[in-house]
Amino acid sequence: AQSVTQLGSHVSVSEGALVLLRCNYSSSVPPYLFWYVQYPNQGLQLLLKYTSAATLVKGINGFEAEFKKSETSFHLTKPSAHMSDAAEYFCAVTLSGTYKYIFGTGTRLKVLA
Amino acid sequence: DGGITQSPKYLFRKEGQNVTLSCEQNLNHDAMYWYRQDPGQGLRLIYYSQIVNDFQKGDIAEGYSVSREKKESFPLTVTSAQKNPTAFYLCASSITGGNQPQHFGDGTRLSIL
Repeated sequence: AQSVTQLGSHVSVSEGALVLLRCNYSSSVPPYLFWYVQYPNQGLQLLLKYTSAATLVKGINGFEAEFKKSETSFHLTKPSAHMSDAAEYFCAVTLSGTYKYIFGTGTRLKVLA
Repeated sequence: DGGITQSPKYLFRKEGQNVTLSCEQNLNHDAMYWYRQDPGQGLRLIYYSQIVNDFQKGDIAEGYSVSREKKESFPLTVTSAQKNPTAFYLCASSITGGNQPQHFGDGTRLSIL
């Protein structure tokens, strides 16, 4: 069965600093992986997705993530944090042909001025 | 613009009462989903539907019911059997399952009076 672990329920960075949000997955077959962002009292918005093409995936708002099979990781990064990046971020995994998306417990990003 | 509309934004339930949360999409997606979100627990799947007139239980279906009579609509009823219904409920849709990302509505926050 698939699972997702997001290390760090809260992460704080200074404005302009590197953002690194960690996601590790468990899957017996090649997974599909997603990062979503959620602002308060809103739904989730897709940032980027990995679907077995390029291992380095670029998303919206300057975010990117790298699929590393050897480390079973799909960490989310952004070179320079902006105040508007403050939100909660979710990593999700699923498999081809299934309708079950497994979500991590989320990481709340705080950006300090 | 296409999207998912959830209503109402806030809902209050009295003890012993059933309430229905609305979810409508105009994305022409086949699959629709209901999730429950509690602080620190990520998203948990309640029900999903791959196609009209068909739906399957997710991980926490007890105390909930759904219908899928139209492609655009997937209402969720929270019954009196659900003893702890206070949560944020998110509806989502996708073209199909597997490698397709999900699109989310803005959620309904349900509270008990």
